Amino acid sequence: NAGVMQNPRHLVRRRGQEARLRCSPMKGHSHVYWYRQLPEEGLKFMVYLQKENIIDESGMPKERFSAEFPKEGPSILRIQQVVRGDSAAYFCASSSGTSGFTDTQYFGPGTRLTVL
Amino acid sequence: SQQGEEDPQALSIQEGENATMNCSYKTSINNLQWYRQNSGRGLVHLILIRSNEREKHSGRLRVTLDTSKKSSSLLITASRAADTASYFCATVEISARQLTFGSGTQLTVLP
Repeated sequence: NAGVMQNPRHLVRRRGQEARLRCSPMKGHSHVYWYRQLPEEGLKFMVYLQKENIIDESGMPKERFSAEFPKEGPSILRIQQVVRGDSAAYFCASSSGTSGFTDTQYFGPGTRLTVL
Repeated sequence: SQQGEEDPQALSIQEGENATMNCSYKTSINNLQWYRQNSGRGLVHLILIRSNEREKHSGRLRVTLDTSKKSSSLLITASRAADTASYFCATVEISARQLTFGSGTQLTVLP
């Protein structure tokens, strides 16, 4: 029973390039969350998606960042024209959605993005 | 300070001792959760306590919640070297689903 999977685990991009981060939720989970963690800090919420719907993107920068969770396939967090300040660990979490606000979120191992 | 602030920022103890970490938050919450993160790894869910609960146990973990003081504590009893990690509290606000994390407590258990 595989957990949340993220790939790649490490990603290096030069300034101005695009970064695509993928997240496959746990089997049976239809809720996906993306968080960003800067060094020595806690995680910061970015976006919450259900299949084909963005439910809450209040934590996501208005420009250059986008997220999707298609009917088929993984959720993707896309960062266009990356800058050095985008360097961070990006974590995806999934939940079943069956317990409402007390859903347990299960986290993936993260993607560490480095922008040169 | 931010929602979900942990105290202390770092804690170093001997194996076998108890470790206590505290968390304070600002808004009304639905529940509060504690997570553990080993260096360079993802987060592992430890325990969830609802706003109408005051105390919860899970193995060597004991969590308390005081909603009047907007604070929570995590106690790890009989610590082991393998407990060395960062511990984060995270809150779920009323009518929200996303977690709001604090900056964490770095726990080091010396063998």
